[in-house]
Parts: sequence; structure tokens; C-alpha cells
Amino acid sequence: GAVVSQHPSWVICKSGTSVKIECRSLDFQATTMFWYRQFPKQSLMLMATSNEGSKATYEQGVEKDKFLINHASLTLSTLTVTSAHPEDSSFYICSAMEDSNQPQHFGDGTRLSIL
Amino acid sequence: AQSVTQLGSHVSVSEGALVLLRCNYSSSVPPYLFWYVQYPNQGLQLLLKYTSAATLVKGINGFEAEFKKSETSFHLTKPSAHMSDAAEYFCAVSDLGSSNTGKLIFGQGTTLQVKP
Repeated sequence: GAVVSQHPSWVICKSGTSVKIECRSLDFQATTMFWYRQFPKQSLMLMATSNEGSKATYEQGVEKDKFLINHASLTLSTLTVTSAHPEDSSFYICSAMEDSNQPQHFGDGTRLSIL
Repeated sequence: AQSVTQLGSHVSVSEGALVLLRCNYSSSVPPYLFWYVQYPNQGLQLLLKYTSAATLVKGINGFEAEFKKSETSFHLTKPSAHMSDAAEYFCAVSDLGSSNTGKLIFGQGTTLQVKP
């Protein structure tokens, strides 16, 4: 149980385009989803916390207009990287939590490469 | 505020040897603690969690961790390493019990290398 699906797993696109990443909880309803960014050989950096039906809460230093998060249902959250540039290239990982007494379950990540 | 420190960014053991990955935490409230494993180009998989029940927690793949409040530690161990254990390991503390957002604060990670 507790499977989180993240799609796509790999994206290569040109500078200036927008990229949407989906995160789905397949067998449970996620009241909260989290979006992380991970640089090579480093730990996960929390970007934002997303609760279904409300605006995401962004961590300090994360541009909310750059990284648009939508949590439209209890099983789906999306992260859109708008007008992506090479410095946005990274590994993005989502996680989902059924409730605050449960652990976070992670997707397999999305490798984003901006040319 | 909560924080996690993983001592040793890189640990190398021989196959069959004891695995010990160190984690110390700082928390002003009773912590919830987690160990996750990450294989290359993948997300994180939960190994085990401590949520204020038994101090010795058993997880998947033969791993276990012991919560020691006096030492503010939550070290991960496995009696006998397998080649398949080679991966990146993250210790994390949650703010459950304080602001209750479920946010995780991760340590910097430890790369486990298993030599044949």
C-alpha cells in the first residue's frame, strides 16, 4: 500500500518553456502533499506544502510565481515550473501524507533538464 | 526548532559486516523520527519510523534503529550488510507534536558503500 506515482520521470526541454509534473497517491487519499528539490549529492530541500483545496505554503526563498502548485483533489497535486531556465534543472520529488499521524510516502522523482 | 545531523557523509563496509549509520536530532518537543533510503534516480523509501512507542524500532530489509533520548540519537543498524544495501540513507525528524504540519527536516544523508 501507500503508493505515490510521479510523472514524468524525465523531462528535457528548451529554456523558456513551462513544465508540469504530476504527483498522484494511488491507494490512499492525501490530505497533504509536499514538493522537494534535490541537487546532486545533496539532501532534499522542501519547496512547498500543499493541502487539498487551499493555496500551497511555500518555504522561504522559493518563488511561488515560478513554481506553481495546484492540489485539486485528494489524490493529485501538480507542480508547474514556469518559464524554465537551465538553473531550474534538478531532481524534483513529491511526497504524500494521508494524515498528520502517518509518514510521508515519496514518488520516484522527476529529472528536469533545461537546455 | 528541529534539526538532524548525520555523522559521516560516506560509510563503507564489507559484505556481511555490521552497518551503523549515525543520526542525532534536536527537538524541543517529543520527536517523530524516520529513516529513508534512496536508490539512484529514485524517490525515498521508508525504512522505519519512531513515533513515541517502543524505543527499538524494526524496519524493512533487516534494518532497525534505537531511539535514545539521553543521547538524542536514532542510529540505524543492520547486522549483516548485503550488496543491495548500497544506497543513500536519510534520517529525518518531523514536526508532528508541535506545529503538526507533518513537515520533515532531513539530515544531509549518508552514502553506504558495500564492498564484496
